[in-house]
Amino acid sequence: DVVMTQSPLSLPVTLGQPASISCRSSQSLVHSDGNTYLNWFQQRPGQSPRRLIYKVSNRDSGVPDRFSGSGSGTDFTLKISRVEAEDVGVYYCMQGSHWPPLTFGGGTKVEIK
Amino acid sequence: EVQLVESGGGLVQPGGSLRLSCAASGFTFSDYSMNWVRQAPGKGLEWVSYISSSGTTIYYADSMKGRFTISRDNANNSLYLQMNSLRAEDTAVYYCASHAFDIWGQGTMVTVSS
Repeated sequence: DVVMTQSPLSLPVTLGQPASISCRSSQSLVHSDGNTYLNWFQQRPGQSPRRLIYKVSNRDSGVPDRFSGSGSGTDFTLKISRVEAEDVGVYYCMQGSHWPPLTFGGGTKVEIK
Repeated sequence: EVQLVESGGGLVQPGGSLRLSCAASGFTFSDYSMNWVRQAPGKGLEWVSYISSSGTTIYYADSMKGRFTISRDNANNSLYLQMNSLRAEDTAVYYCASHAFDIWGQGTMVTVSS
């Protein structure tokens, strides 16, 4: 199974400042079709998860452009250029390149300092 | 409006059974492969099961194999999860989600306790 490791566990950020979340996989996420199936999700308190980014760097419709995804192989990053109050929540990465099983990272909690 | 609505959660004793449902609307359900994902209280997301759009391909997480059964009724735009031999560690919010994970339900809580 592919193990997804996120860091940090908790990320206190000042409003307006950038934030960066790391996600590492135990093996390369390059699929045999050439794509890399790495998603990022946001889960606000009391809400269902919401997909923000798919295939490493593609932002979903309605997602603010302050969110960006990057990376390749086994190393991926979600960046928030300027954190806003509505960005508080837990962020998860998930791989869909080598499954079953589909596997999620353990989550990173973003909070305001 | 694109929507998934889960139901069927509740309190069940260890060893008991429960059937979860997920009603889809606002999109062509029969075109979509679907998943169940769960989240134990205060914990992260855990994939449970997958079913292809036609229902012919099914996968389970190892800890659910032999106990959980995923199924779907495309005529009624519904997804199901039959859960048997429930354990305390199955206590979680259960979400249905499209296989692209761009559509999620609001979740239904399952509590396994005596």
